[in-house]
Amino acid sequence: AQSVTQLGSHVSVSEGALVLLRCNYSSSVPPYLFWYVQYPNQGLQLLLKYTTGATLVKGINGFEAEFKKSETSFHLTKPSAHMSDAAEYFCAVSESSGNTPLVFGKGTRLSVIA
Amino acid sequence: GAVVSQHPSRVICKSGTSVKIECRSLDFQATTMFWYRQFPKQSLMLMATSNEGSKATYEQGVEKDKFLINHASLTLSTLTVTSAHPEDSSFYICSAPDRSTGELFFGEGSRLTVL
Repeated sequence: AQSVTQLGSHVSVSEGALVLLRCNYSSSVPPYLFWYVQYPNQGLQLLLKYTTGATLVKGINGFEAEFKKSETSFHLTKPSAHMSDAAEYFCAVSESSGNTPLVFGKGTRLSVIA
Repeated sequence: GAVVSQHPSRVICKSGTSVKIECRSLDFQATTMFWYRQFPKQSLMLMATSNEGSKATYEQGVEKDKFLINHASLTLSTLTVTSAHPEDSSFYICSAPDRSTGELFFGEGSRLTVL
């Protein structure tokens, strides 16, 4: 079975500050890892994903994440927060890149303070 | 690019009625679609996997007689909430993998409110 733990249900940062959202996973098979963003009353938007290959993954809107197998982590970072980054962020794990369902973490709400 | 469309985006119904939510892949074919449920300020929980031409696979604890899933074609899956009650009020989201590429796409979600 696979699972995801997102540390911190709510993270607050100042505009321009570093964003760090933590995600640890558990998987008995090589994982496929995803980060999604959700704005209120909307669906999910894919930020980035790790399948195989390079462990540092760059996504949209300046976000990136690094797959660390030894730490079973896939933390999401952005060097400089923008007000528009305020949203709910979900980390997810899967056994494949798309043909199997995703298992989601509980989400982290990011607030950006002006 | 590929898009998954859900309809309706919002629906309000009376307790005891049934509501159908559609999930369409607009420019790709999907032999499988996944239905999730999201309660306010919570994560997405997988309810079931719909399979084109065969029965859906339900997750443990999900009532198959209450949440009827049909995958009638390679581009359409429907979720019917039967005899809806206020506790069924939730945000329902579908996702579909493109059977050609394996890439997964999510619908915009459907918010159900049962009065």
